[in-house]
Amino acid sequence: IAGITQAPTSQILAAGRRMTLRCTQDMRHNAMYWYRQDLGLGLRLIHYSNTAGTTGKGEVPDGYSVSRANTDDFPLTLASAVPSQTSVYFCASSEGSEHNEQFFGPGTRLTVL
Amino acid sequence: GQNIDQPTEMTATEGAIVQINCTYQTSGFNGLFWYQQHAGEAPTFLSYNVLDGLEEKGRFSSFLSRSKGYSYLLLKELQMKDSASYLCAVKMSNYQLIWGAGTKLIIKP
Repeated sequence: IAGITQAPTSQILAAGRRMTLRCTQDMRHNAMYWYRQDLGLGLRLIHYSNTAGTTGKGEVPDGYSVSRANTDDFPLTLASAVPSQTSVYFCASSEGSEHNEQFFGPGTRLTVL
Repeated sequence: GQNIDQPTEMTATEGAIVQINCTYQTSGFNGLFWYQQHAGEAPTFLSYNVLDGLEEKGRFSSFLSRSKGYSYLLLKELQMKDSASYLCAVKMSNYQLIWGAGTKLIIKP
């Protein structure tokens, strides 16, 4: 069982380009999350999904979009990347939004030049 | 606004005990988490407190005082593999987590 996988592991991107970060979980968890982690700051929630077919905005949603067509996949898209989106991106999931433990993927390190 | 404070960095000796504090000021509270994150890796769950008091799990214990907006993580019998960042997070009324910046723990032999 893989848990949560993310792709790519790392990426260097030119500003203005479109990029989709992929996230897949095999735990049949209902809730999924996208965070960014920047040095000196805590994890910040970008978008979340409490169940397939629904999504919501987190603390820092601007410049990002998500979709949740099925239970397993939760891609994050940067429509037109900017240097301030340089960060490490973590996808996470939990059994339900009210459940305690969130399981994290290995992360994607994104650099926007 | 929401605020979670943790020390940026702490140093301790192998075999010793260390206490990592977390104070929070949030508009809601549905529990407090501690996660461990090794450098370059994903956070992993350590503990969850929703009621006041101490929760013990092996070498790790976590304490919560809701009236004081305070929690600590206690690590006993420190091992070199405990060198990591420790993240405190508060679960809000909407079930979303607000995270502290983390405490980097350095273990010296």
